Amino acid sequence: QSALTQPPSASGSPGQSVTISCTGTSSDVGGYNYVSWYQQYPGEAPKLMIYEVSKRPSGVPDRFSGSKSGNTASLTVSGLQAEDEADYYCSSYGGSNDLGVFGGGTKLTVL
Amino acid sequence: EVQLVQSGAEVKKPGESLKISCKASGYGFNRFTTYWIGWVRQMPGKGLEWMGIISPTDSDIRYSPSFQGQVTISGDKTITTAYLQWSSLKASDTAIYYCARPMMLRGGITTIDFWGHGTLVTVSS
Repeated sequence: QSALTQPPSASGSPGQSVTISCTGTSSDVGGYNYVSWYQQYPGEAPKLMIYEVSKRPSGVPDRFSGSKSGNTASLTVSGLQAEDEADYYCSSYGGSNDLGVFGGGTKLTVL
Repeated sequence: EVQLVQSGAEVKKPGESLKISCKASGYGFNRFTTYWIGWVRQMPGKGLEWMGIISPTDSDIRYSPSFQGQVTISGDKTITTAYLQWSSLKASDTAIYYCARPMMLRGGITTIDFWGHGTLVTVSS
């Protein structure tokens, strides 16, 4: 199963909004509403930010939102803050008995 | 509070064997629960890759095709610990290995809600 496609980098100024895309196929992103997004700071473990396309775990700021259209999912970070500078990875459910697949990751820079 | 506590960093030589661990606490990892444990590799400067997962009963272990035959995943139900093992390390095994708690749907992984802190494995002669 191929990795999901993410842009290698994204950037925005404080206060702005940035959207990161995650493109898969009809066998993963397009076929199910189980896309997740993870935030990873250098030297730290990933942290779940969005699950089931658009749901936020407790404690995740509502500046983070997720959506999906066809085979492409998106993570939007509104009101960018310096602390949002990190790597972001998407993942998708790939069906029964499938371990799923991750995206290649996007480095978000706050200018 | 759910925690996945991993064993410490390791430095090994090519050809050596290694077994790293991940101890779950704050919830049960045994036959009375339905939470699996998985292992994810992150090579230096690279992204995340699923290696495999082990069921609470230890009767079902699934490997990603890329890692089948390269590593062994096992679990100790008594002490709620999962293991990742190599019989003969290669330099290309140098990476951070995270254990993680996946949420499952019909045997497939929908998301990971908890992650261990990672174990850095360095393989160098």
